[in-house]
Amino acid sequence: KQEVTQIPAALSVPEGENLVLNCSFTDSAIYNLQWFRQDPGKGLTSLLLIQSSQREQTSGRLNASLDKSSGRSTLYIAASQPGDSATYLCAVKGQAGTALIFGKGTTLSVSS
Amino acid sequence: GAVVSQHPSWVICKSGTSVKIECRSLDFQATTMFWYRQFPKQSLMLMATSNEGSKATYEQGVEKDKFLINHASLTLSTLTVTSAHPEDSSFYICSASPLRTGSGETQYFGPGTRLLVL
Repeated sequence: KQEVTQIPAALSVPEGENLVLNCSFTDSAIYNLQWFRQDPGKGLTSLLLIQSSQREQTSGRLNASLDKSSGRSTLYIAASQPGDSATYLCAVKGQAGTALIFGKGTTLSVSS
Repeated sequence: GAVVSQHPSWVICKSGTSVKIECRSLDFQATTMFWYRQFPKQSLMLMATSNEGSKATYEQGVEKDKFLINHASLTLSTLTVTSAHPEDSSFYICSASPLRTGSGETQYFGPGTRLLVL
C-alpha cells in the first residue's frame, strides 16, 4: 500500500528565504505526482503536476522535482513571501484512473 | 481551467439526521469522481471512488451503508451521510479528472463541505 511522507511537518522562515519541502513515497511505480496548497479551512489549490516520465516542473517561484526511482519529490519555493504561508500537500497517483494518495503536509509560515 | 463545485459548503445538523453533499464538474465530464475526508490538522483520506453508472468502491474502514454514494451522470456525484453522528463531523472534499485525453490525469478538487453534527 502506497504511503506518502512529508518532512518537515512544520516550517517557519523569514520573508525572502528560499526553502525546500520534501515528499517521499514507498511505491515508486507511480503515474504522476501533484503538489497542492491548502489555506486554513479552505479547499485545495493545485500547484504543480509532474508526470512519471518527467523530472521537474516549474511555475513562477515554484519548482518541483521528481526522482521516481528513489521515491522522492521536492518542492522548491524561491524568495518566500508571507502570502506563501499555507499547508503544502504532496500526493501521488499509482495508476491512471485511481485516486491521489496524500501525505500529511508541511505547514509553512513566512514572517515579514 | 476545470472547475468542480460542491454544495453545500457548510452544513450543521442534529445527530441522527442524514446529509447529502453534491459534487459537480462544471465544464467537463468525469467517469470517475473521488470522495475524501479531512479531520482537523490531518491530511486528506480517500473514502471511496465513485464510478458513473456503477457501485462505488469504498476504502477499508469506510462503511458503505453509512456513506451512500450515487454517481448518476458524468457531471454529478452525491455523498449522503446517513444517521450522522458527532464523530462524522469533518471536511468532505470531492475531486474529478476530465475524460479528455491530454489532461495528464490531473485531479481537480471541489472547495469542500464542512459538516458539523451536534
